[in-house]
Amino acid sequence: ELKVEQNPLFLSMQEGKNYTIYCNYSTTSDRLYWYRQDPGKSLESLFVLLSNGAVKQEGRLMASLDTKARLSTLHITAAVHDLSATYFCAVGGYTGANSKLTFGKGITLSVRP
Amino acid sequence: GAGVSQTPSNKVTEKGKYVELRCDPISGHTALYWYRQSLGQGPEFLIYFQGTGAADDSGLPNDRFFAVRPEGSVSTLKIQRTERGDSAVYLCASRDAGSDTQYFGPGTRLTVL
Repeated sequence: ELKVEQNPLFLSMQEGKNYTIYCNYSTTSDRLYWYRQDPGKSLESLFVLLSNGAVKQEGRLMASLDTKARLSTLHITAAVHDLSATYFCAVGGYTGANSKLTFGKGITLSVRP
Repeated sequence: GAGVSQTPSNKVTEKGKYVELRCDPISGHTALYWYRQSLGQGPEFLIYFQGTGAADDSGLPNDRFFAVRPEGSVSTLKIQRTERGDSAVYLCASRDAGSDTQYFGPGTRLTVL
């Protein structure tokens, strides 16, 4: 059974500092996804990582993938309040039944002044 | 362009009643997914449609749950004899052929009293 684990589950961040959060998964998957969810809202796609060593950056967020370690990291540079949200990672394949996503429990980030 | 829409946004029903939840995917998206998100958890896969057919319904919890997509666009998730444990946010997502990303709708919050 495919399992996706995220840690920590909650992270209080200080504005301006850097942080890294982690996503581990139990079996080989084609793709690793990061989504953001604001309270009471739906999921917003952030990144899709396709291959070992893939790195993608958008603003203060940078995601990377190590398929051998089955690990993805999301690095936050100089945290700002707007980044406060819950971040989910998910794994899935590309086509057919494999394309369903298996999500972790999410990491709630809170940025304090 | 228009995103994934779901109706109703909120549904309150009594135990034992029948409910229907509707999803309008992004126009032209051939793949459609239903997920269920309980409080404090990541979304859990329910069913996947490719076109009109259910390609994978392995996530449906029991035979009280059923979904259709008769014309390959709008989908309806149907729950019979609702139970309090069915209370959750039901999310719909769609994906274009050849794309990696699933785009999520705002969800329907179902409360079973």
